[in-house]
Amino acid sequence: DAKTTQPTSMDCAEGRAANLPCNHSTISGNEYVYWYRQIHSQGPQYIIHGLKNNETNEMASLIITEDRKSSTLILPHATLRDTAVYYCIVRSYSSNTGKLIFGQGTTLQVKP
Amino acid sequence: EAQVTQNPRYLITVTGKKLTVTCSQNMNHEYMSWYRQDPGLGLRQIYYSMNVEVTDKGDVPEGYKVSRKEKRNFPLILESPSPNQTSLYFCASGPGGGRTEAFFGQGTRLTVV
Repeated sequence: DAKTTQPTSMDCAEGRAANLPCNHSTISGNEYVYWYRQIHSQGPQYIIHGLKNNETNEMASLIITEDRKSSTLILPHATLRDTAVYYCIVRSYSSNTGKLIFGQGTTLQVKP
Repeated sequence: EAQVTQNPRYLITVTGKKLTVTCSQNMNHEYMSWYRQDPGLGLRQIYYSMNVEVTDKGDVPEGYKVSRKEKRNFPLILESPSPNQTSLYFCASGPGGGRTEAFFGQGTRLTVV
């Protein structure tokens, strides 16, 4: 599975959009980009995933560049409850192990 | 409500005393997995199961056992716990077939003294 690179930490003002970048320059054609978050030692929570098209759900939007080497998770109106560690994960949809490789992630601090 | 339930949430035990952490999911998921989380090391997969009676080792299986006799349950067994197994443990389940929109339990904080 491709390795990802994320900034260690970011701040965002409450009510503003939070844009979390992720680099995955070695991604291969059958690998998806997944985003999870973990709020203060709770179980990780699935947010969104995509292959090459932009995706949106009730939690967030995922923008993947045309060359698929990077992506951005967008929380459109961040709240204090969005303060968490956000993980960008790249893996094959057909992985035999189902394993998610969690890196260090980005700690997002939403401030009042 | 769809959920993955782990028990206990917190456990302090002594070295060598066998323990079991239970995990149950109510989503009829084929895939289940155990992770441990340690500071600076992130989440690492211990064992996983693709279906009933099918289990396999993850990245850090030493000192752990699992079983999958029923689809909904995937207990983690520490036959002889040691202090280096002090960690935060998470159980996860997913639809299987390669899909990994995984659902995670709330975690079990284990301390072995």
